[in-house]
Amino acid sequence: NAGVTQTPKFQVLKTGQSMTLQCAQDMNHNSMYWYRQDPGMGLRLIYYSASEGTTDKGEVPNGYNVSRLNKREFSLRLESAAPSQTSVYFCASSEQGADTQYFGPGTRLTVL
Amino acid sequence: AQSVTQLGSHVSVSEGALVLLRCNYSSSVPPYLFWYVQYPNQGLQLLLKYTTGATLVKGINGFEAEFKKSETSFHLTKPSAHMSDAAEYFCAVSEPDSWGKLQFGAGTQVVVTP
Repeated sequence: NAGVTQTPKFQVLKTGQSMTLQCAQDMNHNSMYWYRQDPGMGLRLIYYSASEGTTDKGEVPNGYNVSRLNKREFSLRLESAAPSQTSVYFCASSEQGADTQYFGPGTRLTVL
Repeated sequence: AQSVTQLGSHVSVSEGALVLLRCNYSSSVPPYLFWYVQYPNQGLQLLLKYTTGATLVKGINGFEAEFKKSETSFHLTKPSAHMSDAAEYFCAVSEPDSWGKLQFGAGTQVVVTP
């Protein structure tokens, strides 16, 4: 039982490049989330998926897209990376919306 | 709309001393409240949560928190700090009908000195 896994762990991009962050959970959870963590700002919700087949915007969705590929997987895509997207990205999942969220180990992204 | 304020971005405590981390929230409905801990280079781990029922909540590693509706607070305490408590702590709030969307505080970095 691996919980929530994220790939890659580290990534360096140049401005304008694209990439997809992958997230998978093996707990049969319905809801999944993407957050970014910046110093002094806590975690901010980018997008979430309340259940398979649905996605919705969070607090800071601009510059990102998501795909809930199936119940297990929820990916985050940066179409044209900008330096302001340098951050640590966390994926999380929960059984139901209001339940405890379980977090992955994070992806540290640097955009030059 | 909901929001969370954590007083103090850095707290230094002596080993064996009381740990007190303050969290105040605003919410238009009775909230769900959480404390998460983040150790260096790791994801967040749930310490404890309040949803309904008893307002004093006990969590892992000897931590507890009390929901005080009149003060809109959910402060985290531990009677005796251990070196292993050095980490960043986040208070978070969600509203029951918000599909689990968490609003996090800015975090409090705890340093434990011998």
